[in-house]
Amino acid sequence: DQQVKQNSPSLSVQEGRISILNCDYTNSMFDYFLWYKKYPAEGPTFLISISSIKDKNEDGRFTVFLNKSAKHLSLHIVPSQPGDSAVYFCAASEGRAAGNKLTFGGGTRVLVKP
Amino acid sequence: EAGVVQSPRYKIIEKKQPVAFWCNPISGHNTLYWYLQNLGQGPELLIRYENEEAVDDSQLPKDRFSAERLKGVDSTLKIQPAELGDSAVYLCASSRDSEQFFGPGTRLTVL
Repeated sequence: DQQVKQNSPSLSVQEGRISILNCDYTNSMFDYFLWYKKYPAEGPTFLISISSIKDKNEDGRFTVFLNKSAKHLSLHIVPSQPGDSAVYFCAASEGRAAGNKLTFGGGTRVLVKP
Repeated sequence: EAGVVQSPRYKIIEKKQPVAFWCNPISGHNTLYWYLQNLGQGPELLIRYENEEAVDDSQLPKDRFSAERLKGVDSTLKIQPAELGDSAVYLCASSRDSEQFFGPGTRLTVL
């Protein structure tokens, strides 16, 4: 039973345009959400997070939107750059405390074309 | 600040052989995690340590997998005997608060 799903395995976008990555979850106890970025042969690196008390969090070119009623979050990258080409994982946890278990989605591979 | 270090980076073994992976977390990070990542999927937690105590090992297949974190710093994950289905990337992560920092992983291929 996948509690976190990323239904688009891949996404191709032109440089300078917007990339939109989607993530759905089923566990209503999840209240803290994260996006990780992974390059080949490297471990995932933290990108941005959002708590369920918010519906939007922005950090430079990256914005995460949370729709609690729909159990849906999305990551917007504007403008997309070739260096953004990577696999992006959505993750969720019950609470933000240290050590809380992260449940990951399957990832979306993003290709930004120059 | 040095990141999470894992070794080896790649390992190829024949089925039924034992294998061990080593992880050195970021200095000062009390929490250490081992994840399994199958091809095309996200990481799945195997075990979590708080200092030297395994506080969540519910997803660890204990018939063949074992882990230890002596002295609450480095950790070792072992598989004995390995099966074909164990071929995957094994990721180690550490944290001091809510943000987990991942190592580069060990890619295991079981032939």
